[in-house]
Amino acid sequence: DTAVSQTPKYLVTQMGNDKSIKCEQNLGHDTMYWYKQDSKKFLKIMFSYNNKELIINETVPNRFSPKSPDKAHLNLHINSLELGDSAVYFCASSQMGEQFFGPGTRLTVL
Amino acid sequence: DAKTTQPPSMDCAEGRAANLPCNHSTISGNEYVYWYRQIHSQGPQYIIHGLKNNETNEMASLIITEDRKSSTLILPHATLRDTAVYYCIARGNAGGTSYGKLTFGQGTILTVHP
Repeated sequence: DTAVSQTPKYLVTQMGNDKSIKCEQNLGHDTMYWYKQDSKKFLKIMFSYNNKELIINETVPNRFSPKSPDKAHLNLHINSLELGDSAVYFCASSQMGEQFFGPGTRLTVL
Repeated sequence: DAKTTQPPSMDCAEGRAANLPCNHSTISGNEYVYWYRQIHSQGPQYIIHGLKNNETNEMASLIITEDRKSSTLILPHATLRDTAVYYCIARGNAGGTSYGKLTFGQGTILTVHP
């Protein structure tokens, strides 16, 4: 059984479009995260939600809006996509200790 | 979270122990040392963590110096599948204001060769 899943795995889109990435965890964890890994392979936290409440927002542009309909889901909606948004986006979840990461969504903005 | 410093790359022969060092000289008393790895194109994978004592699990061992300023991750019998980027992260308790966010550095690229 997949612990943290993301859809889609690949996303290719044009500049200016709006897109969403979905994340689901079946571990019963309270906290979920979004990380971004850019072309230079730096992994950086974007958001963290705890029990559906936004806890961390690491100076991410307003075009990025996370939404947590319930504890098991944390979706990422991106408006007006820009070239610089091209990256791999990882979702993760944790309870208190280690974080479990999803397989990533590779977003390419043309 | 305290800054960590790791060598950019290391090599290891298959079947031998891989010893990956990490410096965290400014680590505070309540910060844990976490190790994750990222195999090409996959999500990061948790390996092990510790506070003061040495730790061992089915994947690896973690040796933390007495002054806690450095640590070593040991993969006892490296295989080709252990080729990955290894990240050493100093992190406070998840219940604190950071809520457990991980601050990744550049990590060490470990290449295990036949």
